[in-house]
Amino acid sequence: DAKTTQPNSMESNEEEPVHLPCNHSTISGTDYIHWYRQLPSQGPEYVIHGLTSNVNNRMASLAIAEDRKSSTLILHRATLRDAAVYYCILKSSSGNTGKLIFGQGTTLQVKP
Amino acid sequence: GAVVSQHPSRVICKSGTSVKIECRSLDFQATTMFWYRQFPKQSLMLMATSNEGSKATYEQGVEKDKFLINHASLTLSTLTVTSAHPEDSSFYICSARDRQGVNEKLFFGSGTQLSVL
Repeated sequence: DAKTTQPNSMESNEEEPVHLPCNHSTISGTDYIHWYRQLPSQGPEYVIHGLTSNVNNRMASLAIAEDRKSSTLILHRATLRDAAVYYCILKSSSGNTGKLIFGQGTTLQVKP
Repeated sequence: GAVVSQHPSRVICKSGTSVKIECRSLDFQATTMFWYRQFPKQSLMLMATSNEGSKATYEQGVEKDKFLINHASLTLSTLTVTSAHPEDSSFYICSARDRQGVNEKLFFGSGTQLSVL
């Protein structure tokens, strides 16, 4: 599986936008970009995913670079409940077993 | 959205005993479930892929005789930690995929904190 690189931690103020970067320079054409987050003492939850075009849903937006070697998860207005570890994961569509391999992720702290 | 129920949420056991953790998909059929473990301050580590009606596929370095996985129905997978030892103490998390496809998302249980005394 292609590797992703994320900052270990980030801080944000409540009610402000947050941009969480992810580098995936070895991404292949069949890799989807998935984001999950894990709140303390809970299992991860799906946030968003995309292939080439930017994506929006009720939780967040995903901006994908034109060369697909990086992406950014955007939380438009951070709340205290958004404090979590955010994982950027590449998931291949070829020979797909469905499994997700987690990296270290970014720990997001939200300050009131 | 789809719900995955994991039970128990917390278990404390004596060294040498076996512990069973259940993972249920409540409103969808899960032909494939995954089991992860997570140590404090670390990321999730995939242990095995559980396929309904067939043997589980274990990741490298995971002892299949130590971590028994059974996926007897489309809504239930179980992980049994046999002859548990303190080093098996960890947070165990299951997940399930709800349909076939190239970009389907996974739904996760809330995890089981295992403490072996």
